[in-house]
Amino acid sequence: DTGVSQNPRHKITKRGQNVTFRCDPISEHNRLYWYRQTLGQGPEFLTYFQNEAQLEKSRLLSDRFSAERPKGSFSTLEIQRTEQGDSAMYLCASSETGGSEKLFFGSGTQLSVL
Amino acid sequence: AQRVTQPEKLLSVFKGAPVELKCNYSYSGSPELFWYVQYSRQRLQLLLRHISRESIKGFTADLNKGETSFHLKKPFAQEEDSAMYYCALPRDNYGQNFVFGPGTRLSVLP
Repeated sequence: DTGVSQNPRHKITKRGQNVTFRCDPISEHNRLYWYRQTLGQGPEFLTYFQNEAQLEKSRLLSDRFSAERPKGSFSTLEIQRTEQGDSAMYLCASSETGGSEKLFFGSGTQLSVL
Repeated sequence: AQRVTQPEKLLSVFKGAPVELKCNYSYSGSPELFWYVQYSRQRLQLLLRHISRESIKGFTADLNKGETSFHLKKPFAQEEDSAMYYCALPRDNYGQNFVFGPGTRLSVLP
């Protein structure tokens, strides 16, 4: 499968623990996006990268959230001191550069904070 | 601020009936709009984009700037069209990331 890959598929954690998710985009895609989706809502933008540069962060992304894309390839999203409100599906997407490009989504990581 | 509304959470139609999924937007500038679809147990994927003016799986969508709408239509719904549908537009004039609507679940009944 040469699509966007996300790991793990599911993560259950206790409140206060740290979690890290990984996203491997389509190899030739320069842009990588993180979205969060809760039940009954569409995906909400969190942050995006062009190559290794993080170009924008949503105000939804509190100080407990950090994302990296160190070599412009895979990306990680870390949540520190998780809260129950962080429970959601975390989606990664990638696209080529150049205007409004089609997003290719991963299957997501479902986070449950107990 | 850019915003997308989809007034119907759930739309049920019978097989063979016409279907229209509504999308309204607010955007400063000339928008490019998209419809994404998520079938059961599959990942979110692009269905169509208005700039392509194409018909995908029998679906079409017309941008109406006067009504700020981008409704998705299909003349004869099929059971395999049952899915979640999300309307989306770029967050800014550079088109570098997107705002999604809350989605409409289409259920096509036999």
